Amino acid sequence: EAGVTQFPSHSVIEKGQTVTLRCDPISGHDNLYWYRRVMGKEIKFLLHFVKESKQDESGMPNNRFLAERTGGTYSTLKVQPAELEDSGVYFCASSQGSRSETQYFGPGTRLLVL
Amino acid sequence: AQSVTQLDSQVPVFEEAPVELRCNYSSSVSVYLFWYVQYPNQGLQLLLKYLSGSTLVKGINGFEAEFNKSQTSFHLRKPSVHISDTAEYFCAVSARISGGYNKLIFGAGTRLAVHP
Repeated sequence: EAGVTQFPSHSVIEKGQTVTLRCDPISGHDNLYWYRRVMGKEIKFLLHFVKESKQDESGMPNNRFLAERTGGTYSTLKVQPAELEDSGVYFCASSQGSRSETQYFGPGTRLLVL
Repeated sequence: AQSVTQLDSQVPVFEEAPVELRCNYSSSVSVYLFWYVQYPNQGLQLLLKYLSGSTLVKGINGFEAEFNKSQTSFHLRKPSVHISDTAEYFCAVSARISGGYNKLIFGAGTRLAVHP
């Protein structure tokens, strides 16, 4: 069974540009989470989808970030326009069911904004 | 709200020596507790988790952790480490709340470096 996949693995863009990150969760997992780790800091929660609905988006830093999960399968996270402080590693995770269920993480997308 | 403190940012240790990675948490509600590991160029992998029951939890690769409610700690231990255990280790909590699902709150991570 394929794990959580993320694309691209790395992205280098200039300040003001737009970047879209994609996450494909494990097949059948209704829950999809986005997290971010800024250099040297904790991994922080961004938002949580249950199927196609946003369950919790309390961690989204500002309105430059837009997450979607059309059809309840893969998800995209768009940053527009990107700022220097958006640099970091963006992780996606998925889980099947309850709140105690293990979240399976993807390898992350390393974003560098110059 | 919850917070997690990993007391050591880096832990160097020799191969076959024991290791303990420390984790303390703060929460106004009961929590579930997790340890994840990130090997170089890979995603986070679950090592073990505490949901309820026995406070000593055994995980993969010979790791174990003990939940101590009075000290609000969940330290990770391994009696004898291998070179392949070199990685970054993250302690995390999620709140036990009725209904719904909950996000993970992570500590800053501990880099374990195992030397020959």
